[in-house]
Amino acid sequence: EIVLTQSPVTLSLSPGERATLSCRASQSVGTYLAWYQQKPGQAPRLLIYDASNRATGIPTRFSGSGSGTDFTLTISSLEPEDFAVYYCHQCSDWPPFTFGPGTKVDIK
Amino acid sequence: EVQLVESGGGLVKPGGSLRLSCAVSGLTFTNAWMTWVRQAPGKGLEWVGRIKSNPDGGTTDYAAPVKDRFTISRDDSKNTLYLQMNSLKIEDTAVYYCTHIRFSTIYEWGQGTLVTVSS
Repeated sequence: EIVLTQSPVTLSLSPGERATLSCRASQSVGTYLAWYQQKPGQAPRLLIYDASNRATGIPTRFSGSGSGTDFTLTISSLEPEDFAVYYCHQCSDWPPFTFGPGTKVDIK
Repeated sequence: EVQLVESGGGLVKPGGSLRLSCAVSGLTFTNAWMTWVRQAPGKGLEWVGRIKSNPDGGTTDYAAPVKDRFTISRDDSKNTLYLQMNSLKIEDTAVYYCTHIRFSTIYEWGQGTLVTVSS
C-alpha cells in the first residue's frame, strides 16, 4: 500500500499570500496524483488531477506540479474562500486508494 | 451535471446493519466505476471500496477494515449504488460519500450521509 505524507499539517497565511503544500508518496506514483479541497460541512472537491491538470471550473491560481514521489499544490494568491483542508490522493497503485492526512490552510 | 445523492444513514447499535443508497444522475451509470469513501468525525478521508461497471466485470474490492463486513452492489436499471454494512463497529462511525471514478481519479462526490454506531 502506498502511503502519502502531507506537509505542513497547518499553514497559517493571510489573503493574498502564496500557499505551497507538499505531498510525498512512499513509492513512485508517476503522475497519478490528485488534490482535493474540503471546506467544513462539505464534500471534497477535485482541484487537480494527473498531478498538474486543473479540473473543470478550478481557478488558475491553483496549480499542481511534481512526479514520482514528490508533489506540490500551489495557490498563487489566497482568496478568502481558499481557506480549507487540502488532501492529496494517489491513483497509481490501487486498490486500495490512499489519501494523505491533509493540510489545513487557515487565516493568520 | 453529475449528481450523486446518498441516503440511508442514521444511528445504529454496534453489531447492527445498515444499507446506504446513492442515486446517480448526469452520467451513463452503466459504464461508471464507483467507490465509497468515508470520513470519521474530525478525521481524514478513508477509501471503503470500489465496484467496477458491469461491462468491465462488476467486481468489487474493499479496504481491509471493512472486508467481509461491507458489500457494494449496484442496480443499473435504477442508476443506484448500494453499500450494505453488517456487523457495524463504533469505529465505522463516519460520513459516507458515494464517488464516481474517471481514469482512476475520483471526479465527483456526493454530499455524504452520516452513519453513527453507538449503544
